[in-house]
Amino acid sequence: AQSVTQLDSQVPVFEEAPVELRCNYSSSVSVYLFWYVQYPNQGLQLLLKYLSGSTLVKGINGFEAEFNKSQTSFHLRKPSVHISDTAEYFCAVSSRGSTLGRLYFGRGTQLTVWP
Amino acid sequence: DADVTQTPRNRITKTGKRIMLECSQTKGHDRMYWYRQDPGLGLRLIYYSFDVKDINKGEISDGYSVSRQAQAKFSLSLESAIPNQTALYFCATSEGQGARGRAFFGQGTRLTVV
Repeated sequence: AQSVTQLDSQVPVFEEAPVELRCNYSSSVSVYLFWYVQYPNQGLQLLLKYLSGSTLVKGINGFEAEFNKSQTSFHLRKPSVHISDTAEYFCAVSSRGSTLGRLYFGRGTQLTVWP
Repeated sequence: DADVTQTPRNRITKTGKRIMLECSQTKGHDRMYWYRQDPGLGLRLIYYSFDVKDINKGEISDGYSVSRQAQAKFSLSLESAIPNQTALYFCATSEGQGARGRAFFGQGTRLTVV
């Protein structure tokens, strides 16, 4: 079974500050890792994903995430946030080798960027 | 037009009523999913389908049923709505790459059961 823990339910930051949203996972099998973002009144959209290769993954809107297998983490970072980054962010995993394609989500982190 | 369209976007219904949430997609994906989002709980899987003949229960399927009318359409029904089914419901599709595929979500249906 898989589980995802997002360590912070809310992260308030000021504009242009750096931010890190933390994600840890637990799984008995190897996984693929994803970050999705949900802007107000919208569905989720893919921010970035880790499938294999380099452990540093770059996504849209200047976000990046680093896969750390030994710590089973996949933290999301941005060096300088904007007001428009205010949204809820979800970390998710899926099982490698599975044909199901289903995602297991964390509980979400609300990022609020203040001017 | 959105790739994944959900109707209605908002719905208030009474306890005991039957309600159907509809989802259609233009992505051409075989895989479709229904998730439920509750504040502080993330998204939980209700049902998923890999094609019109393949329907599978997710982790919270009790009280729900689904119908895959065509590759492009996947409906979720609440046979007898109850207040704890008040939530935000998302339909999603995924690319045909198994666990690697990107998911595409609709804008959600906010359901309130009174």
